[in-house]
Amino acid sequence: AQSVTQLDSQVPVFEEAPVELRCNYSSSVSVYLFWYVQYPNQGLQLLLKYLSGSTLVKGINGFEAEFNKSQTSFHLRKPSVHISDTAEYFCAVKNYGGSQGNLIFGKGTKLSVKP
Amino acid sequence: DAGVTQSPTHLIKTRGQQVTLRCSPISGHKSVSWYQQVLGQGPQFIFQYYEKEERGRGNFPDRFSARQFPNYSSELNVNALLLGDSALYLCASSLATANTEAFFGQGTRLTVV
Repeated sequence: AQSVTQLDSQVPVFEEAPVELRCNYSSSVSVYLFWYVQYPNQGLQLLLKYLSGSTLVKGINGFEAEFNKSQTSFHLRKPSVHISDTAEYFCAVKNYGGSQGNLIFGKGTKLSVKP
Repeated sequence: DAGVTQSPTHLIKTRGQQVTLRCSPISGHKSVSWYQQVLGQGPQFIFQYYEKEERGRGNFPDRFSARQFPNYSSELNVNALLLGDSALYLCASSLATANTEAFFGQGTRLTVV
């Protein structure tokens, strides 16, 4: 069975500071990895995804994530955050291949950017 | 191009009632998945449909059912509602089941009183 652990439920940070949101996963098979963002009262928007190739993945809004297979981690980073980045962030995994394409999500990390 | 649309956006039901939630995928997408997001948690997979057939089911009771229509839209039905069914129900569409990109709708907020 697969699982996703987001190590921090809340991360407060000041505007223009760097931020890292941590994600670890457990799986017996190869997986795809994703980060989604959810603004209040909205659905999920894909920030970035790792499928294969370069372990450093760049996404929208200046976010990037690094896949580390040995540590089974996929941490999300941004060098300088804005007030508008305040939202909840979800890490997710999906089985590589197969006929079932469901995502398994972590519990989320609430990022709060303060002026 | 319209994204994934869900209706209604909000719904209040009484315990024991039944509810139907609707989802229209992005044009050309044949796969629809449903997720339940309880307050303070990540989304949990309920069902996946592709070409009108169920392709996956999460760990939910038989009170939950779904179907997909020839135009690829989908309905999620929940019978005998419990207080614990209160959640944001999200629909996601993708080109195919194994496709790596799923696009989410805004969700339907269900409150059971």
